[in-house]
Amino acid sequence: QVQLVQSGPEVKKPGASVEVSCRASGYTFTNYRIHWVRQAPGQGLEWVGWISPNRDNTNYAQKLQGRVTMTTDTSTTTAYMELTGLRSDDTAVYYCARETGGAMAYFDYWGQGALVTVSS
Amino acid sequence: DIQMTQSPSSLSASVGDRVTITCRASQSISRYLNWYQHKPGKAPKVLIYVASSLQSGVPSRFSGSGSGTDFTLTISSLQPEDFATYYCQQTYSTPTTFGGGTKVEIE
Repeated sequence: QVQLVQSGPEVKKPGASVEVSCRASGYTFTNYRIHWVRQAPGQGLEWVGWISPNRDNTNYAQKLQGRVTMTTDTSTTTAYMELTGLRSDDTAVYYCARETGGAMAYFDYWGQGALVTVSS
Repeated sequence: DIQMTQSPSSLSASVGDRVTITCRASQSISRYLNWYQHKPGKAPKVLIYVASSLQSGVPSRFSGSGSGTDFTLTISSLQPEDFATYYCQQTYSTPTTFGGGTKVEIE
C-alpha cells in the first residue's frame, strides 16, 4: 500500500535550518510529484511547493523563495524539504503529499506530518 | 494567486443533520476543486476531487457540486466521525490554494 513516512519533530532556533524527510513506498516514486503543505498553529493549510522526482523540477511558494529547497533521492525513494533562515512564523506541522497528476490533480496520500518548532 | 473563501468558518451541528459548506473562488476555476477532511493530529484526507467525484472509500453521504467560482460540500447525515475541519483546494492554477477551513463541531 502507498505510504509516506516523515521524519520526527524538530526544535530549532531562529535563523537555523531544518530538513524534513518523506520516505515513499508502495508505488513508483518517480511517477508522481511530491508536494509540501504546512499548517501553523490555529491556522489553515498553506502550500509550500512541489518537486517532480523524475526530473527534480521544483516550484516553490513565492513567499518562501530563496529559503526553501526541495530535493529527492530516488535510490531511497525519499523527498526532502529544507527551510533556512527559520523564523517563529515557520513554526508549523509540515506535511508531504503525493499528487495524482494529470488534469484531475489532487493529493491522494499524505505523510503523518512533522512538527517544526522555531523558538529561542 | 486565486483566493479561496469558505463559509462558514465554523458550525455546530448534531448527528444526523444535513451540513452544507460553501467555497468561493476569486476567479473561475472550472471544476478543479477538491475537498479534504482534517482531524487533529492526523493527515488531511481527500473526500471529493474535481468538484463532484467521490474518492474511493469515502462514504456516499459526502457529495460535492459546483463549477466556475461557487462550490458546495454536503454531508447528508452527519456522523460522529465527521466532526473535523474541512478545506477546499483549487488546482486550476499554480500555486494551488486552500480555503481557510470550516470547523464542524458537535452541537
